[in-house]
Amino acid sequence: DTEVTQTPKHLVMGMTNKKSLKCEQHMGHRAMYWYKQKAKKPPELMFVYSYEKLSINESVPSRFSPECPNSSLLNLHLHALQPEDSALYLCASSQEGQGSLYGYTFGSGTRLTVV
Amino acid sequence: KQEVTQIPAALSVPEGENLVLNCSFTDSAIYNLQWFRQDPGKGLTSLLLIQSSQREQTSGRLNASLDKSSGRSTLYIAASQPGDSATYLCAVRDSNYQLIWGAGTKLIIKP
Repeated sequence: DTEVTQTPKHLVMGMTNKKSLKCEQHMGHRAMYWYKQKAKKPPELMFVYSYEKLSINESVPSRFSPECPNSSLLNLHLHALQPEDSALYLCASSQEGQGSLYGYTFGSGTRLTVV
Repeated sequence: KQEVTQIPAALSVPEGENLVLNCSFTDSAIYNLQWFRQDPGKGLTSLLLIQSSQREQTSGRLNASLDKSSGRSTLYIAASQPGDSATYLCAVRDSNYQLIWGAGTKLIIKP
């Protein structure tokens, strides 16, 4: 299995809703990432988990709450989002190792629309 | 601070042509460079990964080169096809292990 699987593919939520995005990989990668991508822009890093511990939070608002229940699974919990949070949310994973010689594998993304 | 630039921002060529996409970076202290493809509204597909010690990588009709000293990488696509139409992004893994992205080149292959 060489894939990162993201669900759902599309999500529409109201500003008072609570929802979660899910990401799964079975490649044995120990680093997992959440990115946000707006149209015609490159991805922006949100969070990094390394060995199931949060290692980087790029000053993301608290209405986004990541969770890494185990080495294969990464969740992003969403609450009280704003319309400007509408974007493509991408999950990625990579092997950890000396000198970070490894590339990233991305999922197909969740297209989030906040109404 | 590492900055990555991709030129051109958009490119349109007839089917069958060979083409080159460019990626430049300001700090040569990188671990690797990765080329991705993104179709509209979709996720990122990794095309090629070049380690800092390597000069090039090949996969099918794609060839990526890396000249770390000059801060440049190129992605060569041979015999282009309409299915190659997509946005191509390059990203470098910098000395802080972070992935620094270019803005992408939108490629259109005309049948």
